Formats: sequence, C-alpha cells, structure tokens
Amino acid sequence: DADVTQTPRNRITKTGKRIMLECSQTKGHDRMYWYRQDPGLGLRLIYYSFDVKDINKGEISDGYSVSRQAQAKFSLSLESAIPNQTALYFCATSDLVAGGFEQFFGPGTRLTVL
Amino acid sequence: ELKVEQNPLFLSMQEGKNYTIYCNYSTTSDRLYWYRQDPGKSLESLFVLLSNGAVKQEGRLMASLDTKARLSTLHITAAVHDLSATYFCAVAGDNFNKFYFGSGTKLNVKP
Repeated sequence: DADVTQTPRNRITKTGKRIMLECSQTKGHDRMYWYRQDPGLGLRLIYYSFDVKDINKGEISDGYSVSRQAQAKFSLSLESAIPNQTALYFCATSDLVAGGFEQFFGPGTRLTVL
Repeated sequence: ELKVEQNPLFLSMQEGKNYTIYCNYSTTSDRLYWYRQDPGKSLESLFVLLSNGAVKQEGRLMASLDTKARLSTLHITAAVHDLSATYFCAVAGDNFNKFYFGSGTKLNVKP
C-alpha cells in the first residue's frame, strides 16, 4: 500500500462549490504539506503543518484552508472554487533522513473547476 | 523569499548524447533535492544533496552541489529514451521548514 494517499484522484466541480481534498499517510511523519502544480510553474506551497496544532500558510494560501485532523491526516479545502484553481494538487510528508529532511509525495489530485 | 531557477526549461536530445541541467538558487542553503516526474504521475526522489561539494550518481544521472555558487547540476550521460521526463530541483529554506521548487526541465530523449 502507498505510504501517502490522496482522495479523490480526479475531481470535476463547478464554480462556487466547496471542495475538500484529503491526504493520509502511514509513514508516521509529523510534517505535512499541500502543493499545487501548474504547467511551467513547478510546485507552489499552499499550506504546511508540523503537528496537529501547528498550521502555517505557504506562498499561495488565499482561497484555501486546511485541517490537520490527526498526525496522519491533512485536508485541503476550497471554500468556493474558482476556475483558476484548476490544477494538480500534491500532498507530501517530510522527515529527517540521513541528516537531511526529505519529502515524500502522494499520487496527486487533478482538480478541474468549470 | 528563496527563488529557484532551472535551465533549460525544455531539452530535446538524441539517445547517446550527454547534457547538463542547471539549478540556481537565490539564498544560502546546503540542502538540494532532485526529483523526476513522469506525465500525470507524482514526484519521485532522485537525489538528496546535503553539503557543499556533494556528488551523487545513479545510473546515467549524476548530481552535484556547489553551495558557494548556489548551483546544482544534473548531468545526463549517454541518454536513453527511458530518461524522458520532467526533472525538478528543490531547495530547503527557512531552517529546512519549507521547500522551494524550480519550474522543471522537460526532457525528451529521441530514439
């Protein structure tokens, strides 16, 4: 089984709808991240969390919110989806490995907002 | 904010040729990561470079880090079609709390 899972894998929705993307991990890592990927822009950080009580905004948090329900679960919400939020969304965990922090990515969620 | 620039953004090359992808970053960091992404797939970790002068090799790929120049390179030796993918570098910043990604280099190796 995959260590970092995301649901749903694909979602098509309409402008104004509320959407939640979920991420679960079995790696036991405290650090979790949400990124979005747009063509030609690499990955941009939306939110990150170092434990259940520690939530931080990334560089593009406007229009998004998150919830860290447990060490293993980190959800991303779009309260009122808009078309320019159409993108590929990745969840990642991070831990100290051999002297350096390393990230482990989920399979991604492709979101289309019509 | 830390900026990461990769070049080239697109690279089309013949099998058997050598080439280098460059990753420059704007502020001091000694943690540099290279990832591979196949179309529609997630990111796969290739290399983690943890200090100045670090060099790592896996098959036809070799990565190096020069923290003084704020530069990492990913060198491809005798390219094969299976290496076709998008390659990203990322730098750890803010006391290793955040990761900043380059825009990616889309590599197409032609048979």
